[in-house]
Amino acid sequence: GESVGLHLPTLSVQEGDNSIINCAYSNSASDYFIWYKQESGKGPQFIIDIRSNMDKRQGQRVTVLLNKTVKHLSLQIAATQPGDSAVYFCAEKSYSGAGSYQLTFGKGTKLSVIP
Amino acid sequence: GAGVSQSPRYKVAKRGQDVALRCDPISGHVSLFWYQQALGQGPEFLTYFQNEAQLDKSGLPSDRFFAERPEGSVSTLKIQRTQQEDSAVYLCASSFLRGDEQFFGPGTRLTVL
Repeated sequence: GESVGLHLPTLSVQEGDNSIINCAYSNSASDYFIWYKQESGKGPQFIIDIRSNMDKRQGQRVTVLLNKTVKHLSLQIAATQPGDSAVYFCAEKSYSGAGSYQLTFGKGTKLSVIP
Repeated sequence: GAGVSQSPRYKVAKRGQDVALRCDPISGHVSLFWYQQALGQGPEFLTYFQNEAQLDKSGLPSDRFFAERPEGSVSTLKIQRTQQEDSAVYLCASSFLRGDEQFFGPGTRLTVL
């Protein structure tokens, strides 16, 4: 079936460096993607989203890039801080005929920031 | 303001027991979602409510899983005759309207022995 997945399960970066987390998706009909951050013992927290008609979107210290040609999504975190340590998920939003919509999550990448 | 709350935060059940997990969404949020998150995995969709109507239950893994939201606010996810494979974190999320950003609760960690 359709799936959203990640290339790297773990990523360690030095504090102050930039981080790049990657995600591959297979549903070419997807039109909306979201990045979530999940800290230990907490639910996922929205970071940034992007529509399929965009290639890039920037937020505060974060940038999401979308390459529809190769069905690849990435999250860039600038000047990574210890508080960025968490598991990051990409998710795809899809609508069903039942009037519902749901998020399909990838497996996640654990980001560890080295002080 | 208060976010999404879930109770209990942790639940240990013996195999075969029934459990009930509660979700209090953000006040005024029309849409409510339940997800199941296995260890080391991303959340997986279980079911969706719009007010009190359960519009999508396609993600419920078996007929042992049942969810309700009788007054369009608090929701309960019930699992009957729990099995070890039901061990997971159960996440609840709510959004103001159907397509809006989902706000997640902290989850209930269920361990079935």
